[in-house]
Amino acid sequence: AQSVTQLGSHVSVSEGALVLLRCNYSSSVPPYLFWYVQYPNQGLQLLLKYTSAATLVKGINGFEAEFKKSETSFHLTKPSAHMSDAAEYFCAVSGLKLSFGAGTTVTVRA
Amino acid sequence: DGGITQSPKYLFRKEGQNVTLSCEQNLNHDAMYWYRQDPGQGLRLIYYSQIVNDFQKGDIAEGYSVSREKKESFPLTVTSAQKNPTAFYLCASSIDTSANYGYTFGSGTRLTVV
Repeated sequence: AQSVTQLGSHVSVSEGALVLLRCNYSSSVPPYLFWYVQYPNQGLQLLLKYTSAATLVKGINGFEAEFKKSETSFHLTKPSAHMSDAAEYFCAVSGLKLSFGAGTTVTVRA
Repeated sequence: DGGITQSPKYLFRKEGQNVTLSCEQNLNHDAMYWYRQDPGQGLRLIYYSQIVNDFQKGDIAEGYSVSREKKESFPLTVTSAQKNPTAFYLCASSIDTSANYGYTFGSGTRLTVV
């Protein structure tokens, strides 16, 4: 069965600093991987997805993620954090259904 | 614009009452899903449906019921048997049953027991 593990339930960064959210996956087949963002009291919004094309995937709001098969990772990064990036972020892997990680809450310090 | 509409956004339930959460999509997606979200517990799958008139239990189906009479609609009923229904409920859909294209989510319904 496919699964993902998000390392760190909470990440705090300063405005303008690098944002790095870690996701490792387990899959018996070539995976499709996703990052979603959730703002308070809202649904999940797709940030980006990996579908076996380019290993470096660019998404919305300046985020990108790199698929590394050797490390079974799909970490999400943004070079410079903005206050509006404060949200919860979920990594997911496809299977019969999407399997979601537990989520990482990002806070941004002014 | 196509999307998923959940209503109402906020819902209050008295003890012992059944309540129904609405989920409608105009994306022509085949599959639909219901998730429950509690603080610190991520997303937990309640029910899903891959085709009209068919649905399967997820990880926490007890105390909930669903129907899928139309492709675009997948309402969730929270019954009085659900002992702790206060939570944020999310509906989602996917183009097909593979999940390879990801899910589209609604904006959620926050249910509170009063």
